[in-house]
Amino acid sequence: GENVEQHPSTLSVQEGDSAVIKCTYSDSASNYFPWYKQELGKGPQLIIDIRSNVGEKKDQRIAVTLNKTAKHFSLHITETQPEDSAVYFCAASLLNQGGKLIFGQGTELSVKP
Amino acid sequence: DGGITQSPKYLFRKEGQNVTLSCEQNLNHDAMYWYRQDPGQGLRLIYYSQIVNDFQKGDIAEGYSVSREKKESFPLTVTSAQKNPTAFYLCASRGTGGPYQETQYFGPGTRLLVL
Repeated sequence: GENVEQHPSTLSVQEGDSAVIKCTYSDSASNYFPWYKQELGKGPQLIIDIRSNVGEKKDQRIAVTLNKTAKHFSLHITETQPEDSAVYFCAASLLNQGGKLIFGQGTELSVKP
Repeated sequence: DGGITQSPKYLFRKEGQNVTLSCEQNLNHDAMYWYRQDPGQGLRLIYYSQIVNDFQKGDIAEGYSVSREKKESFPLTVTSAQKNPTAFYLCASRGTGGPYQETQYFGPGTRLLVL
C-alpha cells in the first residue's frame, strides 16, 4: 500500500523567512496530494492541494511542487508570519480507492517574531 | 452554516465500556471518513463510507465499528475490544462530483480519554 514520509519533523524559522517541507510517496498511481494545517486541539484545514497532472500550484504565500518521476512533493511558505505556526501534514490519495488519504507524520513549524 | 460537526468534544471511557462518537455533515457529501490521531503522529484511517448503507475497513479497524444509515451521519463506536482507545478522533467528508471531488473536509475532532 501507499506510504508517505515527511521531513523535517520540526522546523523553526524567523518571521519573514521561507519554510520548506518535503514529502515522498511510494505508490506511483497516487494522483492527488493535499496539504493540511492543524492548530492545537483542532481539526486539519486544507491549505493547498495539487493533482498529478500539474507540476506546481501557488496561492499567495503558499506553493506546492510535485515531481512525479521522483515521487516527491514539497510545500513552500514565503514571508512567514507567527500565525503560520502550526503542524502541517502532507497526504497522498488515489481516488479509485475510495479517496482514502495516507498522511505523513507531520511537521511542527514554529515562526519566531 | 455548512460544515461538519463532531460531538462530544471530550469523551471519557471506562474499562469494558463501548462509546459512540457522533459525526454529522450538511455539505451533501457522499463519502465520509474516520481517522485516529495519536500525539505527534499523522492521521490513520479507521473506516470509510462512499455511500449510504455501505462502508469499508481502513488500516486500523480492529476494535471499532460504524454505521451509515443516513447520508449526513457516520457514527463511530469504540468497543471494549479496542485496548488503547486514547486518541484524537477526526471525521471527514468528501463530495464525489464536481471540480473539488478530491477534497476532504475535517470536523473539529473528539478527544477520547480512558478513566
